Amino acid sequence: DADVTQTPRNRITKTGKRIMLECSQTKGHDRMYWYRQDPGLGLRLIYYSFDVKDINKGEISDGYSVSRQAQAKFSLSLESAIPNQTALYFCATSDSGTGLETQYFGPGTRLLVL
Amino acid sequence: GESVGLHLPTLSVQEGDNSIINCAYSNSASDYFIWYKQESGKGPQFIIDIRSNMDKRQGQRVTVLLNKTVKHLSLQIAATQPGDSAVYFCAENRSGGSNYKLTFGKGTLLTVNP
Repeated sequence: DADVTQTPRNRITKTGKRIMLECSQTKGHDRMYWYRQDPGLGLRLIYYSFDVKDINKGEISDGYSVSRQAQAKFSLSLESAIPNQTALYFCATSDSGTGLETQYFGPGTRLLVL
Repeated sequence: GESVGLHLPTLSVQEGDNSIINCAYSNSASDYFIWYKQESGKGPQFIIDIRSNMDKRQGQRVTVLLNKTVKHLSLQIAATQPGDSAVYFCAENRSGGSNYKLTFGKGTLLTVNP
């Protein structure tokens, strides 16, 4: 969905490095999410934010941090990357005004930690 | 506990045939369901949704059926085309309030043979 963009699309890093994945949206949605996707495990929620001042941990937040710089921007950081953080990362957005939790996803960032 | 699962991990069909992808859920409080399509190298794409006050909803070539009695959801794709080849997964949510969480199934790989 072009309304939700992620950068970079691919990243290779080394163990111990700090990296940041960025997400921007032009949908005007207030809620944003970070997921990781691993083969056979589906989508797992890392962090979510209901607005700029609201940050919440998801089911697998250890080793990650986030920043909601503006309503349209939500970044994910790996403080000290490790190989088992190799995965596909997705940002998603939703609009609380609809009363429905329809989430729209970005194209993903493929991360490889060596 | 909550779970959203799929009956078949893979489905292979001939072009032009109809496809049916199934999903079971266990949380009887879930009242909103979404089907996503994920093509290789892309983010999940919203296809169609349905609220629990409905048992059928139609889109363009797709129909979602909801059977609350047996907690079963299905996605029917009419006249399947090669471009329909992707992983399809369902998601469930209990709408209202501050509930954010979508619970995702692990997906079914649909392969369309020409």
